[in-house]
Amino acid sequence: QLQLQESGPGLVKPSETLSLSCSVSGVSISSSSDYWGWIRQPPGKGLEWIGSISYSGRTYQSPSLKSRLTISVDTPKNQFSLKLSSVTAADTAVYYCARRTRYCSSNRCDHDAFDIWGQGTMVTVSS
Amino acid sequence: DIQMTQSPSSLSASVGDRVTITCRASQSISNDLNWYQRKPGIAPKLLIYAASNLQSGVPSRFSGSGSGTDFTLIISSLQPEDFAIYYCQQSYITPWTFGHGTKVDVK
Repeated sequence: QLQLQESGPGLVKPSETLSLSCSVSGVSISSSSDYWGWIRQPPGKGLEWIGSISYSGRTYQSPSLKSRLTISVDTPKNQFSLKLSSVTAADTAVYYCARRTRYCSSNRCDHDAFDIWGQGTMVTVSS
Repeated sequence: DIQMTQSPSSLSASVGDRVTITCRASQSISNDLNWYQRKPGIAPKLLIYAASNLQSGVPSRFSGSGSGTDFTLIISSLQPEDFAIYYCQQSYITPWTFGHGTKVDVK
């Protein structure tokens, strides 16, 4: 059964770098044509897509975060990671990792959706 | 960025009720619209993809419809396990964006 699990510090100081990892079990990242992504939800706000990466390292990133964002994949460890630099209180959120799968419908096979999610990890930016 | 507007932001319902949640996109997104369910402490769950396709394992009381800019999620007969927050998400173009959620709670 495919499972994703986020890990990383729950508290980060302002101006420092937030680092999270997502461990994937039940499938090999390198054998999958799917993408692996990060989504966050600040307290009291909606969900925000951060970015996604393929097993080969091709990335799609939110333009609003791109200048501070690094998403990478470690196929031997079967995990992928997020680094967000120069964090502020606005980066306080629950961070989710998820698998982006592609579906076929209506004569198209390019419908993307996040079909498997981790439980999420709360990261607070505070001194 | 494409803005996704959900309504209502919250609703109160009873077990057995028919529940309707709507989602409107700020521009046409064809049928690239997904619906998710989120409960506290549990991984979010994909319910519907491509506007109207039921994800494997999701009960048939959930259904989705719409195309272009207007979409609907219907729960035909609300069950106790359905009290949760529901989100729509467009996958038409990056950055993918979500609605702000509709909280379904007990009347």
